[in-house]
Amino acid sequence: GESVGLHLPTLSVQEGDNSIINCAYSNSASDYFIWYKQESGKGPQFIIDIRSNMDKRQGQRVTVLLNKTVKHLSLQIAATQPGDSAVYFCAETIQGGSEKLVFGKGTKLTVNP
Amino acid sequence: EAEVAQSPRYKITEKSQAVAFWCDPISGHATLYWYRQILGQGPELLVQFQDESVVDDSQLPKDRFSAERLKGVDSTLKIQPAELGDSAMYLCASSWGLAGSSYNEQFFGPGTRLTVL
Repeated sequence: GESVGLHLPTLSVQEGDNSIINCAYSNSASDYFIWYKQESGKGPQFIIDIRSNMDKRQGQRVTVLLNKTVKHLSLQIAATQPGDSAVYFCAETIQGGSEKLVFGKGTKLTVNP
Repeated sequence: EAEVAQSPRYKITEKSQAVAFWCDPISGHATLYWYRQILGQGPELLVQFQDESVVDDSQLPKDRFSAERLKGVDSTLKIQPAELGDSAMYLCASSWGLAGSSYNEQFFGPGTRLTVL
């Protein structure tokens, strides 16, 4: 069935370092991908998205890379701050349909001061 | 800033009891989603509404779960009877649901944490 998986369940970095969180997806029909941040006790919060016709998209301190050949996407966070500590999920969907999101299991990012 | 509201935030119940969760989406959002999130995993869609109609309930355990959105605004998710395996976070999300748009971003509420004893 459809699934989105992650390579690492936890990631620990020092404040100020760059973080890279990876995600593998399996549905080649997915054409839209989203990264969410979920802090403890809260719902997921949209970070950045990318369409399948792009291979890179940049936001404020975040960059998402998409490699359709190997069905892989990554989230890069520059100058990681303590406030970035959270669980990060990638999600995939097909635009124009029901827009059902399929989430991966998540990576817990811990930023050490 | 408009937000998705959910209540209660926490619910503890005994197995075989009935529980209900409430969601009030962002005003004007036509599409409403209920997700279940087991600890350590990503959310999984239970049911999707477009206005008052169910669009997708293929993952909803219909023998014990029900959901309604009678007036196409707020929604209730019910479990009867609750089982130990139902312990999870229940998230509600909403989106504009505009047909023909490139993507309708989903906004999530804070969730209801259910513990079944």
